[in-house]
Amino acid sequence: QKEVEQDPGPLSVPEGAIVSLNCTYSNSAFQYFMWYRQYSRKGPELLMYTYSSGNKEDGRFTAQVDKSSKYISLFIRDSQPSDSATYLCAMSAYGTGTASKLTFGTGTRLQVTL
Amino acid sequence: NAGVTQTPKFQVLKTGQSMTLQCAQDMNHEYMSWYRQDPGMGLRLIHYSVGAGITDQGEVPNGYNVSRSTTEDFPLRLLSAAPSQTSVYFCASSYPGRTSYEQYFGPGTRLTVT
Repeated sequence: QKEVEQDPGPLSVPEGAIVSLNCTYSNSAFQYFMWYRQYSRKGPELLMYTYSSGNKEDGRFTAQVDKSSKYISLFIRDSQPSDSATYLCAMSAYGTGTASKLTFGTGTRLQVTL
Repeated sequence: NAGVTQTPKFQVLKTGQSMTLQCAQDMNHEYMSWYRQDPGMGLRLIHYSVGAGITDQGEVPNGYNVSRSTTEDFPLRLLSAAPSQTSVYFCASSYPGRTSYEQYFGPGTRLTVT
């Protein structure tokens, strides 16, 4: 069983829809939770991060972490065609050095259609 | 700032050949990492370094060597290429400490081993 599970999609939604992307994990040591966005044939870029549990909002994006359920989510409101990309969840454990060892999900491919 | 640069962008090798994938960053980041990305597997950590002269293995280190003689450069060496090493390789860098989860990725090298 993988440490981080993520539905690969693809997920196709109309412009303006609310998108929900999710990951589950099994390692209780994970403390940092990230979402990276990857456009086709590009490197991933950090979209949002959350330390430990809770919610974080940044514009149209909201990240949620539920450590009791080992479940994280990314919500995208008012989705735009420019949001079409692969979204990768990533996690790491606490501690200097170990925080740089990221464990990624497989990524969910999102397509926002006009 | 050029950020994280990788060369070459594309490479085709024959089984048994060796080569070095180059990675450089100009952000004075102490942490650098190498990942490979395969369909259905996500990004997997190969090797990482927390500073010049210090390297350690990630999840899939077999068949790869690294060294870190300077802060800026972190080359990845394939000792004897195998078809299983056909993948997209990403180099990433980050600041040390609690923000090391924020990794800056290069554009990737697409490697095919025949």
